[in-house]
Amino acid sequence: EVQLVESGGGLVQPGRSLRLSCTASGFTFGDYAVSWVRQAPGQGLEWLGFVRSKSYGGTSEYAASVRGRFIISRDDSKNIAYLQMNSLRTEDTALYYCARDPSRTSHCNWFDPWGQGTLVTVSS
Amino acid sequence: DIAMTQSPDSLAVSLGERATINCKSSQSVLYRSNNKNYLAWYQQKPGQPPKLLIYWASTRESGVPDRISGSGSETDFTLTISSLQAEDVAVYYCQQYYSTPLTFGGGTKVEIK
Repeated sequence: EVQLVESGGGLVQPGRSLRLSCTASGFTFGDYAVSWVRQAPGQGLEWLGFVRSKSYGGTSEYAASVRGRFIISRDDSKNIAYLQMNSLRTEDTALYYCARDPSRTSHCNWFDPWGQGTLVTVSS
Repeated sequence: DIAMTQSPDSLAVSLGERATINCKSSQSVLYRSNNKNYLAWYQQKPGQPPKLLIYWASTRESGVPDRISGSGSETDFTLTISSLQAEDVAVYYCQQYYSTPLTFGGGTKVEIK
């Protein structure tokens, strides 16, 4: 079964850092790009960025709202994608999902599947 | 950035009746070189992550019932549930992948009347 599982969420103070992990199974992780998407409580979906597969350089792109604060990376030997979140703000409180792009291109496309999400709460 | 606007915000439909959700992009998401619309639809049930329904505006993901269909081109798109079932109660989102940042519509909540 193709599966993604996020971990690393929790309560963190404003200004601090947190690293989320997205562990993949059931497919050749290195062949696919992975995105991070968040959903604030009761709100819609916000794409944060993605990391390409190594076939396309393993480079990342970000939404303006997190560029310079968040870093997306991957370790294909462990089948894990990471979201390093720095200088956290109260407005970063959300459920954070990772999702696979099944298209296997350099372009970020649609998402399938999604993980169940990990909750990040930024509060003093 | 391409803004995605969905309408209505919510709708209540009787079982067996048609539900129609609209999604409008602030600029065309049709890539002329391959004649594909870079638009996807997702379904999110309470307490669950989004589930892919449709990509390329009208290609149904494997396992999605054929009562759910997508249509439209350039800036105007529609998700149709031809005969609403109880299990279709959810929030539906459109998403463009024509350009980064990828953006989602605000969601449409579908309920049973």
